[in-house]
Amino acid sequence: GENVEQHPSTLSVQEGDSAVIKCTYSDSASNYFPWYKQELGKGPQLIIDIRSNVGEKKDQRIAVTLNKTAKHFSLHITETQPEDSAVYFCAASYNNNDMRFGAGTRLTVKP
Amino acid sequence: NAGVMQNPRHLVRRRGQEARLRCSPMKGHSHVYWYRQLPEEGLKFMVYLQKENIIDESGMPKERFSAEFPKEGPSILRIQQVVRGDSAAYFCASSPDSGGYGYTFGSGTRLTVV
Repeated sequence: GENVEQHPSTLSVQEGDSAVIKCTYSDSASNYFPWYKQELGKGPQLIIDIRSNVGEKKDQRIAVTLNKTAKHFSLHITETQPEDSAVYFCAASYNNNDMRFGAGTRLTVKP
Repeated sequence: NAGVMQNPRHLVRRRGQEARLRCSPMKGHSHVYWYRQLPEEGLKFMVYLQKENIIDESGMPKERFSAEFPKEGPSILRIQQVVRGDSAAYFCASSPDSGGYGYTFGSGTRLTVV
């Protein structure tokens, strides 16, 4: 089955700096890669996703890149703000079924 | 359009009791997934269900845990004879019937076994 690894486990940045979180996956059949943000006491919320037919996707301050050959994908947050502080999870699946998640990255943005 | 509804939000059980966690998917979603999250850890897949069918239960412990998604009503995750190690947050997610991607998660049920 799919195995997703995520790094780093914790990340602290200064407000206004960029943050990058990286994930690798094992199953070459995986074709859908979402990212979720989880705030304290809440369920994960989808923030951006990418499918295997594109290499990059951007939504305002958030972007995701995918390298299918190397089987890794990354989340980039620019101009970070304190409200970006949360735990971020990457995930991988084949056709949206049986999604497997990384262990999470706790991002802290210092004002 | 209400999101994924989970209840109760918090559940306290004594060791040996049964815990029942309920999940109502979003309208138009017939795929339900259950995940367990231990403190400071990631989301561990437990089971994937469609109406009246278990599609993948590879993440479910072999004993004491069961799940169902009946034709009418919410999906139920049932834990019999709970132990302290079952204390965790249990999240339910749902996805569209067809052609859509992405899971929508509920707010979770936090189970505490005392």
